[in-house]
Amino acid sequence: DVKVTQSSRYLVKRTGEKVFLECVQDMDHENMFWYRQDPGLGLRLIYFSYDVKMKEKGDIPEGYSVSREKKERFSLILESASTNQTSMYLCASKGGDYTGELFFGEGSRLTVL
Amino acid sequence: QKEVEQNSGPLSVPEGAIASLNCTYSDRVSQSFFWYRQYSGKSPELIMSIYSNGDKEDGRFTAQLNKASQYVSLLIRDSQPSDSATYLCAERSNFGNEKLTFGTGTRLTIIP
Repeated sequence: DVKVTQSSRYLVKRTGEKVFLECVQDMDHENMFWYRQDPGLGLRLIYFSYDVKMKEKGDIPEGYSVSREKKERFSLILESASTNQTSMYLCASKGGDYTGELFFGEGSRLTVL
Repeated sequence: QKEVEQNSGPLSVPEGAIASLNCTYSDRVSQSFFWYRQYSGKSPELIMSIYSNGDKEDGRFTAQLNKASQYVSLLIRDSQPSDSATYLCAERSNFGNEKLTFGTGTRLTIIP
């Protein structure tokens, strides 16, 4: 089974802090994604990566950056956390096949005070 | 910006009845469509994909795609309480683009 592991299930940070959200997948997938999920807004893509050191902006990249130094690991960085970044963050991975199947991690609920 | 729209619900359906979930999309070049199910407190999981006009059946689930009208639907026959979840519609523009755009989801409750 594909396993996507997010480092933290719950985080509480203060405004202005730098936040790292880590994601690791064990299926040698080329593609990895960071989404945030908010009530009434659904899943919105922040960034995705289709290869090591490659990244593309999603629909809401402002205030975020990403890093993919190794194929299995994709990190989301909030350089200076703000209260409007309080959300559920979901990491996903996908192989290079034609299907649309994303494998999601369990999510990281971030609260910024 | 591409949009995928769903009725947020909640949608309540008696056990054993057919649940019908609908989704419309704005991008005429969208090629591939997916239905994900998300149980409360859990992550989404893929349950159906459809690429061509018409119906695709998998057990109690049927996905329907109408590209001319730009809508995709999911029918759940013989609804069970275990089908109670949020259903997310997603689209992808073409096979070379790995980016999926999700709708806001429809919350479905099956009433025993």
